[in-house]
Amino acid sequence: DTAVSQTPKYLVTQMGNDKSIKCEQNLGHDTMYWYKQDSKKFLKIMFSYNNKELIINETVPNRFSPKSPDKAHLNLHINSLELGDSAVYFCASSQLVQETQYFGPGTRLLVL
Amino acid sequence: AQSVAQPEDQVNVAEGNPLTVKCTYSVSGNPYLFWYVQYPNRGLQFLLKYITGDNLVKGSYGFEAEFNKSQTSFHLNKPSALVSDSALYFCAVKKGSGGGADGLTFGKGTHLIIQP
Repeated sequence: DTAVSQTPKYLVTQMGNDKSIKCEQNLGHDTMYWYKQDSKKFLKIMFSYNNKELIINETVPNRFSPKSPDKAHLNLHINSLELGDSAVYFCASSQLVQETQYFGPGTRLLVL
Repeated sequence: AQSVAQPEDQVNVAEGNPLTVKCTYSVSGNPYLFWYVQYPNRGLQFLLKYITGDNLVKGSYGFEAEFNKSQTSFHLNKPSALVSDSALYFCAVKKGSGGGADGLTFGKGTHLIIQP
């Protein structure tokens, strides 16, 4: 009965590869997010998405793209992975944009 | 642009003593303010939030926070610390009405260490 789940939990890959991280929420929320946490534990918003708008943080490279097959899922696709992409990626969701965001357990990405 | 400052990288408190983790923010208009806690190798857990109303908000695990508009602060407090409170604490802000689907802006985090 996990509220926000992510797969995989760990992802180790080579530079230049393309990978995806999946996120699912069973809370019935209408807005989903992706955050990046770097090695210093800094958390930064990457994307916000609901059925009306996609907001992209301008600092996010266009190698990163969110894809939402339905309201309960927001997957993160990353093309041409670079060493600097190594981080923990968190998915989150909220009901209405002003309400509490609930976070998934994170996906630890290591690019070699 | 909005921002959050957590001026202390680490706060050390003896078990049983009161604790405070400081947070100040900058945002245009009314803020929505949040505190989250992160345990090692875990996701973020929601503690409490201020949206509107009473400036003193109570949250999970005995934590509370006070919204102070004039000082643009939202410090996290607990009257009596437990060793199990040791974790990384994040303050976060987003713009209130008109903020759309913006994500949260987080502070850099404060390590809280409770000594037995």
